Amino acid sequence: SAVISQKPSRDICQRGTSLTIQCQVDSQVTMMFWYRQQPGQSLTLIATANQGSEATYESGFVIDKFPISRPNLTFSTLTVSNMSPEDSSIYLCSVGQGVTDTQYFGPGTRLTVL
Amino acid sequence: AQSVTQPDIHITVSEGASLELRCNYSYGATPYLFWYVQSPGQGLQLLLKYFSGDTLVQGIKGFEAEFKRSQSSFNLRKPSVHWSDAAEYFCAVVGYSGGYQKVTFGIGTKLQVIP
Repeated sequence: SAVISQKPSRDICQRGTSLTIQCQVDSQVTMMFWYRQQPGQSLTLIATANQGSEATYESGFVIDKFPISRPNLTFSTLTVSNMSPEDSSIYLCSVGQGVTDTQYFGPGTRLTVL
Repeated sequence: AQSVTQPDIHITVSEGASLELRCNYSYGATPYLFWYVQSPGQGLQLLLKYFSGDTLVQGIKGFEAEFKRSQSSFNLRKPSVHWSDAAEYFCAVVGYSGGYQKVTFGIGTKLQVIP
């Protein structure tokens, strides 16, 4: 198993600004995932972040809007850029060997954009 | 494209009563199937998963789920609900889409347990 922490736990931001969310894991992991959980919607995978390579984005998500860093095997950041109220969501990171493997999730970051 | 339907957004049960949460999926073959639980302020935790083999899967916290291919369902059950089971439950499927494996989550079912 893995223990995952996220910072911040919540934030209220003004439109047009950017927020960087941190995800820290207590052990080295190969694959980290970033999800968005919009109000009343299911979790949607934003991207997969592997250490040492560029993140792989799902359809509908682009690097300019959601840049991701993965500097080592225990840490990743997701930036939500040029925010609008539509970006108000819970953002979660998870780790696992792959999408068919058990994923361990962080507690999430609740973002509100005014 | 694969999809997941959790038809019940909210369910209320009495403590000690039995529980069944429904999950239906759409996929051309047998997908990987998961149930996760999210307690308030917590991350999602895996309850159980099905890949192949016995269609009745046992999970943690006394939960089980049954894969029924003919009904494209993977319903979650518990014979006697405890107040601590109040949480949100997510069904997820993993299948191939566009040549790679893709995970799709359902919208979730929020469970309320009353004394």
